[in-house]
Amino acid sequence: DQQVKQNSPSLSVQEGRISILNCDYTNSMFDYFLWYKKYPAEGPTFLISISSIKDKNEDGRFTVFLNKSAKHLSLHIVPSQPGDSAVYFCAASESGNQFYFGTGTSLTVIP
Amino acid sequence: EPEVTQTPSHQVTQMGQEVILRCVPISNHLYFYWYRQILGQKVEFLVSFYNNEISEKSEIFDDQFSVERPDGSNFTLKIRSTKLEDSAMYFCASTPQGLRQPQHFGDGTRLSIL
Repeated sequence: DQQVKQNSPSLSVQEGRISILNCDYTNSMFDYFLWYKKYPAEGPTFLISISSIKDKNEDGRFTVFLNKSAKHLSLHIVPSQPGDSAVYFCAASESGNQFYFGTGTSLTVIP
Repeated sequence: EPEVTQTPSHQVTQMGQEVILRCVPISNHLYFYWYRQILGQKVEFLVSFYNNEISEKSEIFDDQFSVERPDGSNFTLKIRSTKLEDSAMYFCASTPQGLRQPQHFGDGTRLSIL
């Protein structure tokens, strides 16, 4: 089951620069997507969502882009801050109930 | 800010024993979920629960697993006759109204089967 993939296990970015985290999916029926952030020993924390009727959603420093034809979404964080260092998961759903998660990308923001 | 709380934070159990993982969802939330994450792998959906019944479950959620909302606040996951491969982090989550909403997660219970 590889319905949601995050092909980059890790990413390092300089403080103040843009972080771009990518996520690909295979199920064209997915219509709702989430990004979560996770610190060690804590549960995932919701960051931002997007439904398939949109191609962009912005919340402060976080922007999610959805390219339905490519089955690709990305999370942009700008400017990146050291406190953003965490594991980021994308998740997708068809039913809005069961979510499929990617394997996560570990972001390190270097001061 | 209201939180989903899970107890215990770490549970060690002998293989073959039954284990109950406990969760207290956010008080005005109506939909509840269990996920698991085996070490080094992705977070996997197990089950969703609404109105005192299972609304959706994955292939992982077989007869070994059951969920219950025994009172107005707790939501439990029971694993009967645990196996070594049940060792994982188990996360509980809840949403106010269910579909197409961000799920609020607890910090998880680490289950270790010996």
